[in-house]
Amino acid sequence: GAGVSQTPSNKVTEKGKYVELRCDPISGHTALYWYRQSLGQGPEFLIYFQGTGAADDSGLPNDRFFAVRPEGSVSTLKIQRTERGDSAVYLCASSSLAGVSTDTQYFGPGTRLTVL
Amino acid sequence: AQSVTQLDSQVPVFEEAPVELRCNYSSSVSVYLFWYVQYPNQGLQLLLKYLSGSTLVKGINGFEAEFNKSQTSFHLRKPSVHISDTAEYFCAVSLYNQGGKLIFGQGTELSVKP
Repeated sequence: GAGVSQTPSNKVTEKGKYVELRCDPISGHTALYWYRQSLGQGPEFLIYFQGTGAADDSGLPNDRFFAVRPEGSVSTLKIQRTERGDSAVYLCASSSLAGVSTDTQYFGPGTRLTVL
Repeated sequence: AQSVTQLDSQVPVFEEAPVELRCNYSSSVSVYLFWYVQYPNQGLQLLLKYLSGSTLVKGINGFEAEFNKSQTSFHLRKPSVHISDTAEYFCAVSLYNQGGKLIFGQGTELSVKP
């Protein structure tokens, strides 16, 4: 079946602009995660959805970052007033069981965001 | 706070040689342990995970890892590597009863040379 997909694959924007990054999880997966991977680093947790609600948003760096999942499937990560330090690969993952620490997460290919 | 340390940022090795990628973690609560692999231009893929029971875990592509609670380590091993194993490898932990978010190490770049 289809895996996790993310669009766009690449996004170049200018400092101060607003961007939206989209994630389509595996069909039927309840849990959805966003991570950010800076160059030469491992992924860092941003936010986790259990169904439509954000169960843990402790990783969002500041209030310029926001994410939604209105119907419990597709999620959008929104970044306002982008800064050069936001440049990174944004990864989305989904898992079938919500809130289960043992469950396998399936990752998408990522969106590479470049802020000029 | 919890953390994961991968002790080697780069590991060069010749084809058919054995390899060990090291991972140590620090946590005040129980953890589950994972190894993910990221091939060039691809998403992260699960290699193996340790949840409980036998401390030796076997994964895909001939990889295995051993959980050592006293040393808080979860090293990844393969007895004979192939060129196709060239990739970035990430060790990660999830925390017991805390929603499943993963805490990753910095990654180890495995480069297999002919």
